[in-house]
Amino acid sequence: DTAVSQTPKYLVTQMGNDKSIKCEQNLGHDTMYWYKQDSKKFLKIMFSYNNKELIINETVPNRFSPKSPDKAHLNLHINSLELGDSAVYFCASSRLQGAGELFFGEGSRLTVL
Amino acid sequence: DQQVKQNSPSLSVQEGRISILNCDYTNSMFDYFLWYKKYPAEGPTFLISISSIKDKNEDGRFTVFLNKSAKHLSLHIVPSQPGDSAVYFCAASYTGNQFYFGTGTSLTVIP
Repeated sequence: DTAVSQTPKYLVTQMGNDKSIKCEQNLGHDTMYWYKQDSKKFLKIMFSYNNKELIINETVPNRFSPKSPDKAHLNLHINSLELGDSAVYFCASSRLQGAGELFFGEGSRLTVL
Repeated sequence: DQQVKQNSPSLSVQEGRISILNCDYTNSMFDYFLWYKKYPAEGPTFLISISSIKDKNEDGRFTVFLNKSAKHLSLHIVPSQPGDSAVYFCAASYTGNQFYFGTGTSLTVIP
């Protein structure tokens, strides 16, 4: 029973398209995150939601729009995809904001052609 | 501004020997430190953590050491096994904030 699951695992699309990645956690955690792992393998925070409320919004283009319909779900929608958006996107959750253990999903590899 | 740094991108050790992975941080507010292990095409998985009130935490073959004055932590794996070959990420946090990650160290354990 996967604790943090995200779909799709792989996504190949053309520049200019709009795509979404979905994430769900069944751990009962209050906080969910989106991380981006770029070609240099650096895991960088994009967004953090605490109980459906946006807490952290790092310097991310406004083409990226997270949506949290409830505290168990945090989806990431990306408009007008660019080549530089190609990366692996990881969803994660923790019981509290910045506290305890962070649980990751398996990642969604996005390739923009 | 990278607040957590892992200066060694890769490390190779012989099976059975000790692996030592290092991590430095800059923010004195951090009060919780974690190590994650990542295999290719998988998400990072939690390995071991340490609170800032401790200087050592041990779990089987894995021990994390924290030196607050030097803002340095290390992960010791002994004895190293081929299955330990993976990328190891150091992370730091404090309650109410986010988790900051290092860039990872790729460990190869040679049989």
